Amino acid sequence: ETGVTQTPRHLVMGMTNKKSLKCEQHLGHNAMYWYKQSAKKPLELMFVYSLEERVENNSVPSRFSPECPNSSHLFLHLHTLQPEDSALYLCASSQVYGNTQYFGPGTRLTVL
Amino acid sequence: TQLLEQSPQFLSIQEGENLTVYCNSSSVFSSLQWYRQEPGEGPVLLVTVVTGGEVKKLKRLTFQFGDARKDSSLHITAAQPGDTGLYLCRGSSNTGKLIFGQGTTLQVKP
Repeated sequence: ETGVTQTPRHLVMGMTNKKSLKCEQHLGHNAMYWYKQSAKKPLELMFVYSLEERVENNSVPSRFSPECPNSSHLFLHLHTLQPEDSALYLCASSQVYGNTQYFGPGTRLTVL
Repeated sequence: TQLLEQSPQFLSIQEGENLTVYCNSSSVFSSLQWYRQEPGEGPVLLVTVVTGGEVKKLKRLTFQFGDARKDSSLHITAAQPGDTGLYLCRGSSNTGKLIFGQGTTLQVKP
């Protein structure tokens, strides 16, 4: 399989649940990103990893916890979310930070 | 804070019409990219422009980077239903920050 994959594609969770989003890239890239996409708002960059080290964390609440165990995998651990966290969460990768980004299809998250 | 403002935010046109989408900022960008996102998918790169005044063509799509590298436009000639989607511009600042516009939703009706 090629490109950037994300699982699950859809997730419904309660405010007290713990869940994780997974992203995998098969492109040999060194940078990976988490974005939040809400209606009528710009893509919000949440986290950036370069060579498995977190290089950017844009004031994201602690209920979102990223993990990058290797350059091909990126996780977003979710805990005690709020209804306003409902959105499309997109993962992307690039050869190096700042280069052309390749996006996964996203996980549509609904928090009840 | 650097911002990229896209206009219009929503556009609904008939097949065969022409349209232009704008991406504007008060800041200079070292490069600018346009992406298209279709429902249920992530954004896909259309083009990268890096030189002020640069014009690139991709079939019926024409992209222009402003002379001062603060703005860009995307012009579509004879739009088709397959052009429907969300168009996003992404700027790379001189400090390396990546910034997306809020997007333009295009609907092309047959």
